[in-house]
Amino acid sequence: NAGVMQNPRHLVRRRGQEARLRCSPMKGHSHVYWYRQLPEEGLKFMVYLQKENIIDESGMPKERFSAEFPKEGPSILRIQQVVRGDSAAYFCASSPDKNSPLHFGNGTRLTVT
Amino acid sequence: DQQVKQNSPSLSVQEGRISILNCDYTNSMFDYFLWYKKYPAEGPTFLISISSIKDKNEDGRFTVFLNKSAKHLSLHIVPSQPGDSAVYFCAALNQAGTALIFGKGTTLSVSS
Repeated sequence: NAGVMQNPRHLVRRRGQEARLRCSPMKGHSHVYWYRQLPEEGLKFMVYLQKENIIDESGMPKERFSAEFPKEGPSILRIQQVVRGDSAAYFCASSPDKNSPLHFGNGTRLTVT
Repeated sequence: DQQVKQNSPSLSVQEGRISILNCDYTNSMFDYFLWYKKYPAEGPTFLISISSIKDKNEDGRFTVFLNKSAKHLSLHIVPSQPGDSAVYFCAALNQAGTALIFGKGTTLSVSS
């Protein structure tokens, strides 16, 4: 049973470009979460989605960031017009239901130059 | 304002001894806590959890203790092994049940 798959593992973007991060949850998991880890910090919650629905986006910056989890295909975290401060490790996690522990992917390391 | 605090950035322990990792929280409404372990270049891996209706939960070499009055929890690893060397994150489930609030982590080094 494959774990949570994130791609790409590393992504380099210039300031002003768009970054698209993909996450395929574990088989049978319909709950997806995105977290961001800045250097020397813990993981910060960004958004919680179920299929086609955003349940909690209280951790998402108000501008430039969006997330989706369509009926078919992976969840996508999209960052428009990236800035240097967006450089971080972005982790996706999934669970089969709201009450189960999260299973994390290995993250996407975004570097903005 | 940090709601979950891990005040020790690092801890060094000899193989075979006990490792004790500490975590404090500020919100008395938190009622579910988890510990995750993270190796470099990997995602966090779930270790053990505890609900506020308990004060202890044990799973093999790992035991988590919860002191609700002190708003403090700790993770005990005994005996410690070199493979336990990793960053350990404490997390609390927010009141809505939709997000984990993580501490900054403690780096554990177990020497043989």
